[in-house]
Amino acid sequence: AQTVTQSQPEMSVQEAETVTLSCTYDTSESDYYLFWYKQPPSRQMILVIRQEAYKQQNATENRFSVNFQKAAKSFSLKISDSQLGDAAMYFCAYRSARRPDSGYALNFGKGTSLLVTP
Amino acid sequence: ETGVTQTPRHLVMGMTNKKSLKCEQHLGHNAMYWYKQSAKKPLELMFVYNFKEQTENNSVPSRFSPECPNSSHLFLHLHTLQPEDSALYLCASTRGTGTYNEQFFGPGTRLTVL
Repeated sequence: AQTVTQSQPEMSVQEAETVTLSCTYDTSESDYYLFWYKQPPSRQMILVIRQEAYKQQNATENRFSVNFQKAAKSFSLKISDSQLGDAAMYFCAYRSARRPDSGYALNFGKGTSLLVTP
Repeated sequence: ETGVTQTPRHLVMGMTNKKSLKCEQHLGHNAMYWYKQSAKKPLELMFVYNFKEQTENNSVPSRFSPECPNSSHLFLHLHTLQPEDSALYLCASTRGTGTYNEQFFGPGTRLTVL
């Protein structure tokens, strides 16, 4: 089974600064998808950004970007110009592209709690 | 608002009670999921339904019983639970069977087993 590791239980960033959350994963597959989800205190999990493994170009969504290093099996999330509303739990997730038995479910890391200070 | 609702939002039950969690999605999705979120642990997949058919049971104890009467509704029936079953239970749905399809999550049900 694929495992996803987020080595930073907590991170802190000052408003308007940049922060990077790390994620590594273990897989023997070559085709897969990676996601970052955000779970604010209200608990509704929402998708932040996603990356296809076959794409070399790093995904970007406004202030959020990823650094995808396939050989290193690393998928970090960079948040630029941090805002108070970015405070939340951030989960890295992996989905296999070729395992229909799994129902295309996600494998999650334990999460990183991001605190944004004024 | 992601279009996935869950009720109740909070539930406290004794070990001998029987209760049910409900999930409803208004997005026209075909696949629905139950996840368990415990403190300091990754989200754990419990069940997957695709077009109302259960496609995965991730070694979940039989005291959890899912039901999917149609593509819009998913239930999790609970009976004789243990205190270690206390957790946040999240429902999610996706548009289809494609691997790239985004999973939309509900707000969760916070379950406490006394």
